[in-house]
Amino acid sequence: KNQVEQSPQSLIILEGKNCTLQCNYTVSPFSNLRWYKQDTGRGPVSLTIMTFSENTKSNGRYTATLDADTKQSSLHITASQLSDSASYICVVRGWGDQTGANNLFFGTGTRLTVIP
Amino acid sequence: EAGVVQSPRYKIIEKKQPVAFWCNPISGHNTLYWYLQNLGQGPELLIRYENEEAVDDSQLPKDRFSAERLKGVDSTLKIQPAELGDSAVYLCASSLGDGGVHQETQYFGPGTRLLVL
Repeated sequence: KNQVEQSPQSLIILEGKNCTLQCNYTVSPFSNLRWYKQDTGRGPVSLTIMTFSENTKSNGRYTATLDADTKQSSLHITASQLSDSASYICVVRGWGDQTGANNLFFGTGTRLTVIP
Repeated sequence: EAGVVQSPRYKIIEKKQPVAFWCNPISGHNTLYWYLQNLGQGPELLIRYENEEAVDDSQLPKDRFSAERLKGVDSTLKIQPAELGDSAVYLCASSLGDGGVHQETQYFGPGTRLLVL
């Protein structure tokens, strides 16, 4: 069964600290993996996308890594800011027609709270 | 350039009443998605349109949910009658739909938060 699991479910950190969010998936065959940031009351916004051959991708203070062999990804946030408080959702796209036309699998997200 | 526009932003109705949500995608985007997002969960696809054609509606509860995208631009999602369990955020997203589907970025609207009493 194609699944995407994220951990931790929620995280509270002090402003200025670093943190790492995890995403494990079982989607196969694999096409790509995205990390989205979703602010409260807003729609998700894409942060990074990685394909099978990419190990790391950065977007400012956000760095995503991918290990396609172990089917794991992480999102590292450096020098956190209050504005980083949001939910971070991992989305994996499968390759081909696995479950009909839809082959996008969403994780449940990690709720990050950055406190002063 | 405007992003994906959704209205209303909030809706409170009594159970068994009908409700409709509207979405205007980014100009030029051929693909439109409707998602349902429960609190603390990731979005779940309800329906995907390529232009005016619904190419994936396998997760849409067709007994009470309906959607249309008549001119291949804006779209409406309707629930009739609404049930208590329909309380959620309904997100609309769009993408170019230019064939590069595997690396296409979806742009999400702010969502409509529905509360059924």
